Amino acid sequence: EAGVAQSPRYKIIEKRQSVAFWCNPISGHATLYWYQQILGQGPKLLIQFQNNGVVDDSQLPKDRFSAERLKGVDSTLKIQPAKLEDSAVYLCASSSSGFKNFGPGTRLTVT
Amino acid sequence: AQSVTQLGSHVSVSEGALVLLRCNYSSSVPPYLFWYVQYPNQGLQLLLKYTTGATLVKGINGFEAEFKKSETSFHLTKPSAHMSDAAEYFCAVSLDNNNDMRFGAGTRLTVKP
Repeated sequence: EAGVAQSPRYKIIEKRQSVAFWCNPISGHATLYWYQQILGQGPKLLIQFQNNGVVDDSQLPKDRFSAERLKGVDSTLKIQPAKLEDSAVYLCASSSSGFKNFGPGTRLTVT
Repeated sequence: AQSVTQLGSHVSVSEGALVLLRCNYSSSVPPYLFWYVQYPNQGLQLLLKYTTGATLVKGINGFEAEFKKSETSFHLTKPSAHMSDAAEYFCAVSLDNNNDMRFGAGTRLTVKP
């Protein structure tokens, strides 16, 4: 079975620019998560989808971050405008019966 | 709310030596506990998890962890370290399998030849 796919793997942007990340979960997985992992810290949940509905977005900075999961499959996470403190690895994970499968992540550097 | 504390951000052991990575949790209800490993530029890989039942949990790559409720601990061990074990290790806690998972800050394991 193919794993969780993410793109791009690396992105460098200047502050105040916009950026989008894409995630393709494992086929059939209803639950999709986006995590932010800042250097030296553990991953922090940003948003959780169940099919195409949001289950938990309590830690998503909604003034600049947005996410969608159209048709309950792929998902995109957008940051607009980016700040220096957004530099991190953004991890996508999917699950069907609770066991989370993580993608390789997108490393974002904001300069 | 649940939380995790990993003692020691960096652990260094010699090849063949015992690996011990410490994790203490806080949870208002019986927790689900996890250990993940992250190799450079890769995602998180599940090593093992505790949900219910036997408190000694065996995982992949020879790792195991013991749930000790009285000590609120879930330390990760491996009898003999291998060079390929060098990675970042994360302990995590959740209220169930699908609930928000709270991660510790991670412990970087270095294995010396």
